[in-house]
Amino acid sequence: DGGITQSPKYLFRKEGQNVTLSCEQNLNHDAMYWYRQDPGQGLRLIYYSQIVNDFQKGDIAEGYSVSREKKESFPLTVTSAQKNPTAFYLCASSVGVGLARSGAGELFFGEGSRLTVL
Amino acid sequence: GNSVTQMEGPVTLSEEAFLTINCTYTATGYPSLFWYVQYPGEGLQLLLKATKADDKGSNKGFEATYRKETTSFHLEKGSVQVSDSAVYFCALSDRSMNYGGSQGNLIFGKGTKLSVKP
Repeated sequence: DGGITQSPKYLFRKEGQNVTLSCEQNLNHDAMYWYRQDPGQGLRLIYYSQIVNDFQKGDIAEGYSVSREKKESFPLTVTSAQKNPTAFYLCASSVGVGLARSGAGELFFGEGSRLTVL
Repeated sequence: GNSVTQMEGPVTLSEEAFLTINCTYTATGYPSLFWYVQYPGEGLQLLLKATKADDKGSNKGFEATYRKETTSFHLEKGSVQVSDSAVYFCALSDRSMNYGGSQGNLIFGKGTKLSVKP
């Protein structure tokens, strides 16, 4: 079955440590996204990538980094510079840009990764 | 800039009650509009969508109509079930599907938590 897989589902980190959250998709989607979800704040965009080897900052990119070396993969690193990293992180993908294809604009989400800083 | 405002929750209803969750938006151009649902501990799933004015999206008994004159996309269901308990997010795309494709990035409201009691 096609879909998006995030791992780990739960992660605990000590202050000062970098952690990397994995996101893999087999939907053949061009675009991938990382969102952060906090209670009462909805979803906020961290980074997105429209194509391999290219990515753009979202609204709250500070303290995070990403890479897009393969179409299927878009890992997110939460660095020690992120002041308040405890949150629920959601990865998503979409058909992407350039063509008025059916489904454009629709996001497919993974099940999320919950990061807790101790 | 573009934004989405939805009614604050939580909303608590009895089974078989009528549901309305209000959503209004601010956008330039012609956005596509979406409702996503998030069940406890999971990622978001697309519930329904509408791509142009007067379109009605529907799925699983839920409906929403794209009203350009009132810039609204209210979610309704005639008879809710306990299994509908979830958080509901209204969202818009920053480019319409009808304009040569979409970047796919969505702007989300803050979410409305629905609890349905038996």
